[in-house]
Amino acid sequence: DAGVIQSPRHEVTEMGQEVTLRCKPISGHDYLFWYRQTMMRGLELLIYFNNNVPIDDSGMPEDRFSAKMPNASFSTLKIQPSEPRDSAVYFCASSPRPGGSNTGELFFGEGSRLTVL
Amino acid sequence: RKEVEQDPGPFNVPEGATVAFNCTYSNSASQSFFWYRQDCRKEPKLLMSVYSSGNEDGRFTAQLNRASQYISLLIRDSKLSDSATYLCVVNRGDSWGKLQFGAGTQVVVTP
Repeated sequence: DAGVIQSPRHEVTEMGQEVTLRCKPISGHDYLFWYRQTMMRGLELLIYFNNNVPIDDSGMPEDRFSAKMPNASFSTLKIQPSEPRDSAVYFCASSPRPGGSNTGELFFGEGSRLTVL
Repeated sequence: RKEVEQDPGPFNVPEGATVAFNCTYSNSASQSFFWYRQDCRKEPKLLMSVYSSGNEDGRFTAQLNRASQYISLLIRDSKLSDSATYLCVVNRGDSWGKLQFGAGTQVVVTP
C-alpha cells in the first residue's frame, strides 16, 4: 500500500505569495494531521481532522493559515500570504482509529520543505 | 514549562553499549505514550508504544512512571543504525488526537 503522499516536496517562494501544500492520507485512515517542524520549535501540531471534520485547529498560528479536507483522500494546508517565518518542514500524517490492534500510530508523509524568501 | 521535555543530547554511545534517556510530561491526564524515531531530514516513524507495565521490543525497552510523569527509553547493544533523534510523544489527555511531540533526544552511535 502507498503511504501518506505529500506534495510538493520542496517549495521556494517569495514573501506574500500563496502556498498550498497537499496531502493524500492512507486509505481507510480516519484521522489526518498537519504538523510543522522547525529547529527552534520542533514538531508542532497545527490541526487535525477526524472523518474529514476539523477537530482541533488551536495550533494554527494565525488567520493566514487554513486547512481543508474536502474528502477522505485529500487535504490541503494553505498559507496566504506567506512570510519568511513560515519556513519549515510541513508534515502530514494519518492514523486509523485507535483501539483493538491499532495502537494509534501516526504514519507520516515525507514532508514538504517550505522556504519563504 | 513545556508539555513534553527531553534532553536534546547528543548522547554519544560506543557501538555495543547501552544508552538510556528520559522524557518528562506535564499533563497528568495523559493516557497514551509513544517513542518515535526520526532520521536526519526524514519523517518520524513509530519506534514503540509505551505501556503502563513497561514493554520491550528487541533491544529497546520503554518504561512509564506515572507518579513522576516521565517515560524512558533504553537501547541495549547499540548499533550504528540506531543513530537518530528519538521523539517522545504524549497525548494531551483530553483527546487522543492531540499528540504532543518532544523536541527529541539525539543519539550518535560511534564505531
